[in-house]
Amino acid sequence: SAVISQKPSRDICQRGTSLTIQCQVDSQVTMMFWYRQQPGQSLTLIATANQGSEATYESGFVIDKFPISRPNLTFSTLTVSNMSPEDSSIYLCSVVPNTNTEAFFGQGTRLTVV
Amino acid sequence: DAKTTQPTSMDCAEGRAANLPCNHSTISGNEYVYWYRQIHSQGPQYIIHGLKNNETNEMASLIITEDRKSSTLILPHATLRDTAVYYCIVRPSSNTGKLIFGQGTTLQVKP
Repeated sequence: SAVISQKPSRDICQRGTSLTIQCQVDSQVTMMFWYRQQPGQSLTLIATANQGSEATYESGFVIDKFPISRPNLTFSTLTVSNMSPEDSSIYLCSVVPNTNTEAFFGQGTRLTVV
Repeated sequence: DAKTTQPTSMDCAEGRAANLPCNHSTISGNEYVYWYRQIHSQGPQYIIHGLKNNETNEMASLIITEDRKSSTLILPHATLRDTAVYYCIVRPSSNTGKLIFGQGTTLQVKP
């Protein structure tokens, strides 16, 4: 199993600013992912955070808007840049400790942009 | 990855079995069926997964049809704490771990 800590748990931000969300795992994991959950919607994968290389983004998400860092096997950050009210969502970190094991999720960061 | 279809919502009486169906008619031979649930304001939680055979753990049972085109998640004795959105996800064995979520089924357990 894996225990994931996300910070902050929630924030209210002004439009045009940026917020960096941290994801800390209690063990080394190879695979780490970031998801977005817009109000009343399901989860959408933003990107795969690759250790030691650039993140792999899904269609519709770009590095300039959602830069991701993965400095080691237990930590990653997601930045939501130049925020607008449409970025108001829950952002979740997920890890998969080994191939073909289940994914574990953090509790999410609830972001409101005003 | 294969697409899944689930009913939008279901109700279940407390103490009764909750049977949640999922259609995955385009599933291929190396793809697993995974179930997760998301209780309000929490991150998704793994429930169970299977390939061909039926599976059971302390949380639930998973029944997969012989042709693997559909499955049913069974919560044998639903409680109010089982009220959540349940997601059925098809995932290749070679998958890196990323999950493609559908809209899921909102299960409301009623007293």
